[in-house]
Parts: sequence; C-alpha cells; structure tokens
Amino acid sequence: GQQVMQIPQYQHVQEGEDFTTYCNSSTTLSNIQWYKQRPGGHPVFLIQLVKSGEVKKQKRLTFQFGEAKKNSSLHITATQTTDVGTYFCAGGGSARQLTFGSGTQLTVLP
Amino acid sequence: DAGVIQSPRHEVTEMGQEVTLRCKPISGHNSLFWYRQTMMRGLELLIYFNNNVPIDDSGMPEDRFSAKMPNASFSTLKIQPSEPRDSAVYFCASSNPLWGENEKLFFGSGTQLSVL
Repeated sequence: GQQVMQIPQYQHVQEGEDFTTYCNSSTTLSNIQWYKQRPGGHPVFLIQLVKSGEVKKQKRLTFQFGEAKKNSSLHITATQTTDVGTYFCAGGGSARQLTFGSGTQLTVLP
Repeated sequence: DAGVIQSPRHEVTEMGQEVTLRCKPISGHNSLFWYRQTMMRGLELLIYFNNNVPIDDSGMPEDRFSAKMPNASFSTLKIQPSEPRDSAVYFCASSNPLWGENEKLFFGSGTQLSVL
C-alpha cells in the first residue's frame, strides 16, 4: 500500500531560525495536504497542493509539491514560539484515501 | 459553527469494559472518519462513512471495534471488550468535497482513552 515518509521526526530550533520538514511518498500522489497539531490539540488543515511543482505561501510558511508529485516540503521562515507543534503531511486522492505521514514535531526555543 | 464535537474528552476504563465514543460532524458534511493516534503508529484511519453508510472499515483493528452512523449528525465508535493496547487518542473528522479543497478534514478535539 501507499506509504508516506516524513523527516525529520523531531526538530528543535532557536526562535528566529528557519525550519523545514520533508514528505516522501512511495507512489505518485494526486494531491498532498498539510496539517498542524498543537500539543494536546487536534490536527488542523493548513493547505492542499494539487499541481506538479506547485508552490504556495501562507505568511512565513512555504509549501512545495515536487515535479513528480511524490514529495513535498514545508518551510517556515524565522520561526516563532507560536509555530510549536507537529506538522503532518497527508497524501492521496481524496480524504478517504489520505495517508498521513508520521509527522515532524517542532520545538521552538525562545 | 461549533465544528466537529466529540465526547467524552477523556475516558478511563478497566480492561474488559465496553467503551463508546461519540461524534457529531459539522452540519452539511457528508463524510465522517474515525482516526486513532498513537506514538507508535501515528494517525491511522479506522473507518470512513459517506452519507451515513460505512464505505471502508479495513482499518478497524479487529472485531472488538464497531462503528455506527445512524443519522447524518451522529456517529459512535464502540470497543467491546476494551484492552490496554486500545489506549490512544481517537479523533473523529468530517468533510464535504462539494465545499472545495478536495475534502479537507475537520477534526474534532479527540477522546483520550486510557484502558487500565
């Protein structure tokens, strides 16, 4: 079955440093979604990428979808303490086919 | 909109007891999902309903787990009998593909289940 690998598993950064998490699929994806889960909270949808090579930005967050639609990345510029949480990618064709990555837990040190 | 509502927020029970988790999806959403989250296995899809009908229950661990959706505004996930290895956070999520963004999921706050 489809597998979605995410690295790194953990990342500690100093406030103001950049952060990147990577997502790789064993198969070509029709789309990829990104979610953020705060400590003790629930996953919250951030964005969806559909097109090959697509790049989307949300303030300090930049999302990319690879040309082959098998990988994706999330980059945060100048992290803030509010960025703390676990970031999940989820690949697939529709919600019922979503396969979640294992997540990257981000800690931002003040 | 109140979002996806789950109850209880926390459940502590003893091995062998029956556990029932409840979920109210967002009004108008026609897809409902039950996920389980653990440190070891991450987020796992247990079962998916579309228009109140179970479509894919291949993620349900075993016969001890059952899920129902008697109407568009309510679903339950039951574990009987419960075992310590069932301890996890159980999330309910809903979506509606007609509302765009290709079925993005709206998650409830989850139920933290501890089976002693």
